[in-house]
Amino acid sequence: QVQLRESGPGLVKPSQTLSLTCTFSGGSISSSGYYWSWIRQYPGGGLEWFAYVSYSGYTYYIPTLKGRLSTSMDTSKNTFSLELTSVTAADTAIYYCARYTCSRGSCHIDHWGQGTLVTVSS
Amino acid sequence: DIQMTQSPSYLSASVGDRITLTCRTSQGIGSYLAWYQQKPGKVPKVLIYGASTLYSGVPSRFSGSGSGTDFTLTISSLQPEDFATYFCQKYDSVPPTFGQGTKVEIK
Repeated sequence: QVQLRESGPGLVKPSQTLSLTCTFSGGSISSSGYYWSWIRQYPGGGLEWFAYVSYSGYTYYIPTLKGRLSTSMDTSKNTFSLELTSVTAADTAIYYCARYTCSRGSCHIDHWGQGTLVTVSS
Repeated sequence: DIQMTQSPSYLSASVGDRITLTCRTSQGIGSYLAWYQQKPGKVPKVLIYGASTLYSGVPSRFSGSGSGTDFTLTISSLQPEDFATYFCQKYDSVPPTFGQGTKVEIK
């Protein structure tokens, strides 16, 4: 059964670093065609896709976060992780990890983690 | 960046109604569009990808159409479990951006 699960602190102080890890089970994160993604949902409901690491290790970050964000994957543990530095209250959101599947030119997110609420506050 | 606009933002409808939600992009994206449904407190679930391909297990009352810049999601007969927020998402290029969502509420 395919599952993703985020782990990490739910409260981060302003200017500190947000670190989250996603553990994938039910397959290998090295399998081709998958892009291991980070998506956040703001309190108002909007969804923002902000990063992914591909099955081959290629990474993409949205330009507005590029200087603050890094991602990695650990194939031995079947995990992928993110670090977001210098957080502010604007980074408060539910953070999801997700599997973005692409096949024959068509893509969609077929599995999501349950989401973890991260609050930036002193 | 390509802008995505969903309309309406809110829709009030009754069980059994046929409803159509719209997603417009500021530039053409071919058929590289997916639709997701999100219920309160739950994660989004994919309904349609490739603008019109129904994801496995999704009821046939859901259908998608469109290409280029104008897309629609239609629910042919609204069921109680369909009251939710619906997001479109483009994937022609990075980033795979979401629309702001349409919330479907019970009239």
